Amino acid sequence: EVLLVESGGGVVHPGGSLRLSCKVSGFTFSTYWMHWVRQAPGKGLVWVSHIDSDGSTTTYADSVKGRFTISRDNVKNILFLEMNSLRAEDTAVYYCVRGHGAYFDHWGQGSLVTVSS
Amino acid sequence: EIVLTQSPGTLSLSPGERAALSCRASEIVSSSYLAWYQQRPGQAPRLLMYGTSNRANDIPDRFSGSGSGTDYSLIISRLEPEDSAVYYCQPYGSSLWTFGQGTKVEVK
Repeated sequence: EVLLVESGGGVVHPGGSLRLSCKVSGFTFSTYWMHWVRQAPGKGLVWVSHIDSDGSTTTYADSVKGRFTISRDNVKNILFLEMNSLRAEDTAVYYCVRGHGAYFDHWGQGSLVTVSS
Repeated sequence: EIVLTQSPGTLSLSPGERAALSCRASEIVSSSYLAWYQQRPGQAPRLLMYGTSNRANDIPDRFSGSGSGTDYSLIISRLEPEDSAVYYCQPYGSSLWTFGQGTKVEVK
C-alpha cells in the first residue's frame, strides 16, 4: 500500500521558518517525481513545488520561489519542504503528493501550516 | 499563464441523477495531460481520471471523462451520496501544474 505521511506543520510567526517532512512507503521512492500541493482554508488546490526522482531538478510556483526549497532523501524515503520568510498567505494544508507524469496519483493526508502573529 | 474555468460552481442534485461538470482552459491542453480529482469533505484529494478519459484505480464506471482542445467534461451518470465532493480539473502544460477552482457537487 502506498503511504505518504506528512509532519512538521504548526503555527509560526510571519517571517519565520518551518520544515515539512513526508515519509513515504509502499513504493520505490527513488523512481518517482514528488510534489507539494497546498490548500488554504476553504479554498482550492494550488501546486507549490516539484522535484524529480534523483533531486537534480526542482520547480516552484512563482508565489514561493526564492522562499521555499524542496529536497529529498532517497535512502530514508523522505520528502522535505523548507519554508522561509513565511507570510500569512502561506497558511494552508500542505499535501505531499506522488507524481505520475502529468498528474498526481497518491496524496498524503496533509499538514497544516498557520502563519500568524 | 493558463487560466482554468470550472462550471458550474455548485451543483445540487438528487441520488440517481446525472451530473455534468465542465472545465475550460484559456489555451489548448493535450488530452493526454488532463486529470480530474475528487475531494470529499475533510479528506485529501484523490485521483479520479487521467488522460481525460481513463479512470484511476477503484473508480466506478459511473464516472466518465471526455473532451479535447480547451473544453473538457466529467460526467457522473448515477449520483450516489458518497459522490458529494469538490471536483478539480488539472492540466499539465506551459504553466506546469495548475488546478481549476473546483465544482462542488451536493447529493441530497
